[in-house]
Amino acid sequence: AIQMTQSPSSLSTSVGDRVTITCRASQDIRGELSWLQQKTGVAPKVLFFSATNRHGWVPPRFSASGSDTEFTLTISSLQPEDLATYYCLQDYNYPYTFGQGTKLEIK
Amino acid sequence: QVQLVQSGPVVKKPGSSVTVSCEASGGTFTSYSFNWVRQAPGQGLEWVGGIIPLGGIIRYAQKFQDRATITADKFKSTVYLELRSLRSDDTATYYCATSLEWGQGSQVTISS
Repeated sequence: AIQMTQSPSSLSTSVGDRVTITCRASQDIRGELSWLQQKTGVAPKVLFFSATNRHGWVPPRFSASGSDTEFTLTISSLQPEDLATYYCLQDYNYPYTFGQGTKLEIK
Repeated sequence: QVQLVQSGPVVKKPGSSVTVSCEASGGTFTSYSFNWVRQAPGQGLEWVGGIIPLGGIIRYAQKFQDRATITADKFKSTVYLELRSLRSDDTATYYCATSLEWGQGSQVTISS
């Protein structure tokens, strides 16, 4: 199975900060990576699919990049409503696998 | 945009089985692939398995290969996850998801 290594596992940040989360795949996943946002007590929501394609609800302060084995999610100016745990997911081949998650905390 | 509505919470005894359903609306059912993902309390996301109704392709994570069955009913636009021989560590929220949308989750509690 493809291993997804996500970092950092948690991040204490301030409103207005630039935040970067990274996911590394154990092999080339041909850009088949999604980023998910999960707020406490609710289902995850897709932010980006196929590495860089933004879902319609996602504000422009969120961006995603990457290819092959290295992928990045960036929040350009953190807002209080961005408090959540973020996951990457490879859906290149079965079994699909998730990163361990990055929990954002607002200082 | 497809919407996914899942069945409600259930409590089951160890050793029994549970079936969770996920009804899709607002899109063409056979144009999607569906995945089941679970999340134990306070833990991360774990892929259980997936189904592509159009091609009849079904795949499972190895740890669920012997205990899980995923099916799809095209006439009801519904996918199902059956999990058998339940254990306490199967207590989790089970989600169905497409590539763009997730259901609200179904809480499954295993308790004697």
